[in-house]
Amino acid sequence: GQNIDQPTEMTATEGAIVQINCTYQTSGFNGLFWYQQHAGEAPTFLSYNVLDGLEEKGRFSSFLSRSKGYSYLLLKELQMKDSASYLCALRGGTASKLTFGTGTRLQVTL
Amino acid sequence: DAGITQSPRYKITETGRQVTLMCHQTWSHSYMFWYRQDLGHGLRLIYYSAAADITDKGEVPDGYVVSRSKTENFPLTLESATRSQTSVYFCASSETGYSNQPQHFGDGTRLSIL
Repeated sequence: GQNIDQPTEMTATEGAIVQINCTYQTSGFNGLFWYQQHAGEAPTFLSYNVLDGLEEKGRFSSFLSRSKGYSYLLLKELQMKDSASYLCALRGGTASKLTFGTGTRLQVTL
Repeated sequence: DAGITQSPRYKITETGRQVTLMCHQTWSHSYMFWYRQDLGHGLRLIYYSAAADITDKGEVPDGYVVSRSKTENFPLTLESATRSQTSVYFCASSETGYSNQPQHFGDGTRLSIL
């Protein structure tokens, strides 16, 4: 089986940096995804990690440590439009399927 | 590029009725998925399909039926709706089942069962 933990809510200030953590337990590993989901909308793909280390995409970066069962999403230069839920999703032993965490709701304030 | 579309966007029905949620994708993706999203549970996989005429159960399949006679369509049927099936339903697709392929989601169907 698989288990994924994320903080439920976070608050950060516009222009700041925020780190959203995700820890997981799994018997097989084929990658970890991060998705963004604005209220009432569909999840949209942000990043993918399968090897240890940092992947950078503009203001967003994602880090993975397979030995620690740990990932984080780093958002820089926060904007109001970054207020959304961020979903960590694990691709385990069956490569085609994803298991999602319950998501972290981020609120960006002035 | 229409992508992946779900219909209807909103549906209200009564317990015991049959209801079908539609999902259509224009990318010719091999894999398609149905999820439900509920507060406190996140996205949970109901059924998925690797290709036409190939379907398999996910985490919460009870009370649901799927079919995939054509690559582009993947309807989800609730044969006898129950209140516990009130949820937001998302359809998703991915080009292949390979590890690095993300899933792309439709806009969702908000289903209320009275």
